[in-house]
Amino acid sequence: GENVEQHPSTLSVQEGDSAVIKCTYSDSASNYFPWYKQELGKRPQLIIDIRSNVGEKKDQRIAVTLNKTAKHFSLHITETQPEDSAVYFCAASKGIYNQGGKLIFGQGTELSVKP
Amino acid sequence: EAQVTQNPRYLITVTGKKLTVTCSQNMNHEYMSWYRQDPGLGLRQIYYSMNVEVTDKGDVPEGYKVSRKEKRNFPLILESPSPNQTSLYFCASSSQGGTGNTIYFGEGSWLTVV
Repeated sequence: GENVEQHPSTLSVQEGDSAVIKCTYSDSASNYFPWYKQELGKRPQLIIDIRSNVGEKKDQRIAVTLNKTAKHFSLHITETQPEDSAVYFCAASKGIYNQGGKLIFGQGTELSVKP
Repeated sequence: EAQVTQNPRYLITVTGKKLTVTCSQNMNHEYMSWYRQDPGLGLRQIYYSMNVEVTDKGDVPEGYKVSRKEKRNFPLILESPSPNQTSLYFCASSSQGGTGNTIYFGEGSWLTVV
């Protein structure tokens, strides 16, 4: 079945620097790749997602890139701020509704942004 | 307000004492699922349901049961809890599973089995 590997497990950056989190997936049929942010003690929330027909997507300081050939995708956060400190999860899905279409999550990256 | 509601939020129980964690959503979503979150392992799916009376195992179903008698409710049942089921549990719902529609998570239920 699908497997998603996420790196690094922890990441510490200075405020204003960029942060990059990488994920690889095993199933070449995967076609939907969301990223979730989980603040301490709270639920995961979707921050950005990308489909397999797109190579890059941006939303203000956040961007996601997808390399289907290499089967990896990355989250890029520019001009980091202390409020970006959280655990980030990547996920992948083959996305066929009547076959379950379940998301497989990576192990998570704990991002710490130091003022 | 669109929401997924779980109860209880915090529970300490003893080994072998049956418990149920309830989950309810008000968005008329077909797809609901349960995840457990453990340090270093991310979110792992326990069970999911594509609609009323349709449920299936996720990646870590052992020791759990679910039911989907109504569209809005998807309870998680631990018939005989064991300490290795100590975890943070999330219920989630979506209009179409993992197919690109946003998955909404509940606030989480912290379960400790002693």
